[in-house]
This record gives sequence, C-alpha cells and structure tokens, in this order.
Amino acid sequence: DAKTTQPPSMDCAEGRAANLPCNHSTISGNEYVYWYRQIHSQGPQYIIHGLKNNETNEMASLIITEDRKSSTLILPHATLRDTAVYYCIAVGTDKLIFGTGTRLQVFP
Amino acid sequence: DAGVIQSPRHEVTEMGQEVTLRCKPISGHDYLFWYRQTMMRGLELLIYFNNNVPIDDSGMPEDRFSAKMPNASFSTLKIQPSEPRDSAVYFCASTKTGRNQPQHFGDGTRLSIL
Repeated sequence: DAKTTQPPSMDCAEGRAANLPCNHSTISGNEYVYWYRQIHSQGPQYIIHGLKNNETNEMASLIITEDRKSSTLILPHATLRDTAVYYCIAVGTDKLIFGTGTRLQVFP
Repeated sequence: DAGVIQSPRHEVTEMGQEVTLRCKPISGHDYLFWYRQTMMRGLELLIYFNNNVPIDDSGMPEDRFSAKMPNASFSTLKIQPSEPRDSAVYFCASTKTGRNQPQHFGDGTRLSIL
C-alpha cells in the first residue's frame, strides 16, 4: 500500500471549515483513499473514502486531485468534538497501515 | 446495530500472568483484525482473520502472543507470559469482504502489565 504524508498538527476555529491535506504521490490505480479519526482513547472511527471522484457524506467531504497524488478532507463546520487525530490511508489490500496522522485542534 | 464489542475494557495484571482479550465482531462481517496502540509505535496491525482463518500474523510481536477465532462471532488474543512492554491499548476491528468496505473498531482494551 502506498505511503501517505500528513502534517503533524493543525488548528481550526470552531464553526470554520477544517481542511486536512494528505499526500499520496505513489498511490496505485486500484488503491482507495480512506480517512479515519481517533478521538482521545477511543477506537478509530471511519469517516469517508474514495477512489477517483470527490465524495461527500454526513460527516465530511473528500476531494481527490485528478492525478490522485493528493487529497483533502473537509469538515465543513468544525466543532470542539472534531478535535482528534485524523489518519489518511491508501488501501489496496485487506490491511490498514496507520501512519502518525494529523492532530486537529478545534478551538472556541 | 451493535458495534464491535471488546472485553475487558481495562486489565491490570502482574508480569508473567496470562492475559486474554476478547472480541465479538459485527454480525455478518467476515474479516477480523487485532491492533495494538502505544505512544512509541502508534497503531500497529498484529493479525487478521478471514472467515475465521488467520491470513497474516506478521505483526505479532513474538511467540508469547497468540490469536484464535473459533467461530464467526468470537476471537481471542492471548499473551503468555505477559511483560511490562506489552502494556498498550488493544483494538479489534471487523469488516465485510472488499476494499470498498470500511473497518469498524471496538472501544479497545487498555492493558497494563505491572
């Protein structure tokens, strides 16, 4: 599975959009981009995933560049409860390989 | 729907004791994964099963660790004998077949070996 690179930390004001970037320049054509988050001491929580097209669900939007080398997770209106570590993972097999993720701090 | 259920939530035991962690996957899911999380190493995949059969155990740290899945609704992860460096949070996750299927995680077992 391709390696992903994320900034170690980001801040966001409550109510504003949080845009979390992920670089996956070596991603192969059959690998999905998955996003999970982990709120302190809880199990990772699935957010969204995509292959080529942009995706949206009730939690977030996923924007994948046309060359698929990078993506952005968008939380449209961040709340304090969105403070967590966000993981971007390229998935080509059954396994999830977690990196170090981005620690998002939402402040009032 | 019930999610992935892990027990116990917390375990504190002395070095050398046997530890058994339990997991009940979501009904209908045919993949089950065991992960370990520490500050130093982050989230690591230990082993995973498909249709109750171990597929990849390359992440199991050493022979002191063993995992079984006797049926589709139950799995165990055992550590014998336990050591202080085994202290971590252990997560179980399950999913259906297919790369388009997300994994669903339990709340984890926080293990402390004294």
